[in-house]
Amino acid sequence: QQQVKQSPQSLIVQKGGISIINCAYENTAFDYFPWYQQFPGKGPALLIAIRPDVSEKKEGRFTISFNKSAKQFSLHIMDSQPGDSATYFCAASMDQAGTALIFGKGTTLSVSS
Amino acid sequence: DVKVTQSSRYLVKRTGEKVFLECVQDMDHENMFWYRQDPGLGLRLIYFSYDVKMKEKGDIPEGYSVSREKKERFSLILESASTNQTSMYLCASSVQGAGNQPQHFGDGTRLSIL
Repeated sequence: QQQVKQSPQSLIVQKGGISIINCAYENTAFDYFPWYQQFPGKGPALLIAIRPDVSEKKEGRFTISFNKSAKQFSLHIMDSQPGDSATYFCAASMDQAGTALIFGKGTTLSVSS
Repeated sequence: DVKVTQSSRYLVKRTGEKVFLECVQDMDHENMFWYRQDPGLGLRLIYFSYDVKMKEKGDIPEGYSVSREKKERFSLILESASTNQTSMYLCASSVQGAGNQPQHFGDGTRLSIL
């Protein structure tokens, strides 16, 4: 129930294309869904996050789509660029003190030029 | 800008050694976390702390312990290192509150146990 399942494990997209990474969860108590981006040799950094009271959040070329009934959320990267090549992690947590983020297993994105 | 500093980028130790990984944050964050990152397994939480001298077990605490004597410092201890603890270790911190606070990560310590 605490798991966050992420797919695909790896993704190759052409420059200018759309990258889509999907995540699914079981625990309906989760109410915070962030995405982290990690470049080689660096720690993960928060990219964008959403709460379940909205179905979509957009920041530049990055969009989170959230489907509460299906318990799924996804990251869309529009006009993908080689600089977007990184590992992406979805995560989920509860609005409760003393709790920690539950991370997906990550997706390695390669954008070819 | 929040800075989370891990004392070593690379570390090589021998089996049976006691290993200390140190993490310091400079933003007065209450919460601190230790993860290990392995290919195909993502980020797995080892321990976290939401206050000085407080600690909570994560998903994989076996073989590890932690120490938080000061708010800014969180240490991960491998009591008797084994080869299956070869991994990338990441430290993170966040402000106090619910689990929905952004976590700020260090750049990791790549630990090899020979």
